Amino acid sequence: DAKTTQPNSMESNEEEPVHLPCNHSTISGTDYIHWYRQLPSQGPEYVIHGLTSNVNNRMASLAIAEDRKSSTLILHRATLRDAAVYYCILRDDNTNAGKSTFGDGTTLTVKP
Amino acid sequence: DVKVTQSSRYLVKRTGEKVFLECVQDMDHENMFWYRQDPGLGLRLIYFSYDVKMKEKGDIPEGYSVSREKKERFSLILESASTNQTSMYLCASRGTGAYRPLHFGNGTRLTVT
Repeated sequence: DAKTTQPNSMESNEEEPVHLPCNHSTISGTDYIHWYRQLPSQGPEYVIHGLTSNVNNRMASLAIAEDRKSSTLILHRATLRDAAVYYCILRDDNTNAGKSTFGDGTTLTVKP
Repeated sequence: DVKVTQSSRYLVKRTGEKVFLECVQDMDHENMFWYRQDPGLGLRLIYFSYDVKMKEKGDIPEGYSVSREKKERFSLILESASTNQTSMYLCASRGTGAYRPLHFGNGTRLTVT
């Protein structure tokens, strides 16, 4: 599976935008880019996904580089409840199940 | 909403015991996964299943086995629990298609003494 690289940690101030980067230089043409976040004492939850075009939903925006070798999760106005570990993963369904492998993620701290 | 339910939130077992961790999903998903999560190591895939009675090894299958007799249920089995299997165990499911999101349970924190 193609791997992703994320910074270990980032900090943000409350109500400011946050840009969380992810590098995936070995991404293949059939890989979807997925983002999840994990709040303390909970399982990860889905945030957003994309293939080639930028995507927006109620939680966040996903900006995908033109060469698809990197992407950025954008939280438009960070709140204290956004403090979590954010995971960027690649998903490819060329295999039967499309194994989903998580890296270490980025721990986001939001300061009041 | 999709619900993935893990049978226990906390579990304490003794070394050498056989341990069953159960996971049930209610959305008729074909694919189910077991992960373990340890501080500094992130989420690591143990086993996954893409259909009833089908299973494939993940990145760290040693010491574990799985069972999927019904579509909605995926069990993780520790044949002889050891202290290095103390961890948070997370189950997930998803439908078929690379765009479909994973849905996770809230985890089982297993302590082996």
